[in-house]
Amino acid sequence: DAMVIQNPRYQVTQFGKPVTLSCSQTLNHNVMYWYQQKSSQAPKLLFHYYDKDFNNEADTPDNFQSRRPNTSFCFLDIRSPGLGDAAMYLCATSSVGFGRKATNEKLFFGSGTQLSVL
Amino acid sequence: GEDVEQSLFLSVREGDSSVINCTYTDSSSTYLYWYKQEPGAGLQLLTYIFSNMDMKQDQRLTVLLNKKDKHLSLRIADTQTGDSAIYFCASRNAGKLIFGQGTTLQVKP
Repeated sequence: DAMVIQNPRYQVTQFGKPVTLSCSQTLNHNVMYWYQQKSSQAPKLLFHYYDKDFNNEADTPDNFQSRRPNTSFCFLDIRSPGLGDAAMYLCATSSVGFGRKATNEKLFFGSGTQLSVL
Repeated sequence: GEDVEQSLFLSVREGDSSVINCTYTDSSSTYLYWYKQEPGAGLQLLTYIFSNMDMKQDQRLTVLLNKKDKHLSLRIADTQTGDSAIYFCASRNAGKLIFGQGTTLQVKP
């Protein structure tokens, strides 16, 4: 049973055309994350939500935004995709307060959305 | 900032043991993790170790932690073709999970 679901699996967009990637979870986890993973590189954290509390990483470009309308869903909006934004985007969830205290936090990842920018 | 480094590639024969190594820079890391990523898929948590432990065994997987040298390793006993994947080391500190670049494990029949 899929627990963290990302749609679509592959997304193609045009340079400068806004695109939205979606993530849903059936785990009822309070924390949701978006990671960007370029080919042969480590996943890089873009931002995360702790419940409705949004936490942006300092080096995440302004071009990237996120919305979390409810516990189950989280969206990644790329306002004006550039060629350098082509990557795999991974959504993950956890049930521990991220950053609140040093606990063992296990992340559950979706299968990712591979974004191509033409 | 925190840095996590891994060798990029490892090739072994089926049935042999695989050892994937990782080094990290921040000695205050509380937990260290190993994730597996199969082609076209997300990351799957394999195992983890708390920083006050030096070894953890879980079936075919053995994690060794040398905190003094900031070195973590993952040993896979009796490696199978289904173990072919990318393995990511990650450290947790200051509320953030930092991943290494990943080690591609190739298992030859």
